[in-house]
Amino acid sequence: GENVEQHPSTLSVQEGDSAVIKCTYSDSASNYFPWYKQELGKRPQLIIDIRSNVGEKKDQRIAVTLNKTAKHFSLHITETQPEDSAVYFCAATRNTGFQKLVFGTGTRLLVSP
Amino acid sequence: DAGVTQSPTHLIKTRGQQVTLRCSPKSGHDTVSWYQQALGQGPQFIFQYYEEEERQRGNFPDRFSGHQFPNYSSELNVNALLLGDSALYLCASTISGRYEQYFGPGTRLTVT
Repeated sequence: GENVEQHPSTLSVQEGDSAVIKCTYSDSASNYFPWYKQELGKRPQLIIDIRSNVGEKKDQRIAVTLNKTAKHFSLHITETQPEDSAVYFCAATRNTGFQKLVFGTGTRLLVSP
Repeated sequence: DAGVTQSPTHLIKTRGQQVTLRCSPKSGHDTVSWYQQALGQGPQFIFQYYEEEERQRGNFPDRFSGHQFPNYSSELNVNALLLGDSALYLCASTISGRYEQYFGPGTRLTVT
């Protein structure tokens, strides 16, 4: 079955620095890759996603890149702020409609002022 | 526009008991998925409901069952609770044919 590996498990940066989280997936048929942010005690929040027909997508300070050949995708956060501190999960799925999301194990990002 | 809602927020049960968790999808959404999130882990897919039928199932035993109602809301039932069932249970909704899934706040289940 599909497996998603995520690294690092924890990441500490200073405010204003950039942060990069990387994920690798096993199912070459996966075609949708969302990223979720989960603050302590809160719901996972969809922050950005990318489909297999594009290599990069940006939304203000966050961006996601996809390398289908290598089967990995990454989340990039620039100019980090303390409110970016949370656990970030990558996920992968194939098909539309009745897809199940397969999640990575999460990265705890801590942004220090 | 109301987002995904779940009830109850917290629940404490004893081993062997049964539990029912509830989810109301985001307005306009017709597909509901349930996930189990153990402490420090990513969510694990339990099953998905569309048109009141279970369409996909993850690697969970038959003790886990569900239902979807005509108004698209859904229930997750867990029988014969085990200590290992303690987790955050998340509901996610989407529109069939779309990729994006939106999560509810979850129900924290503790089995003692």
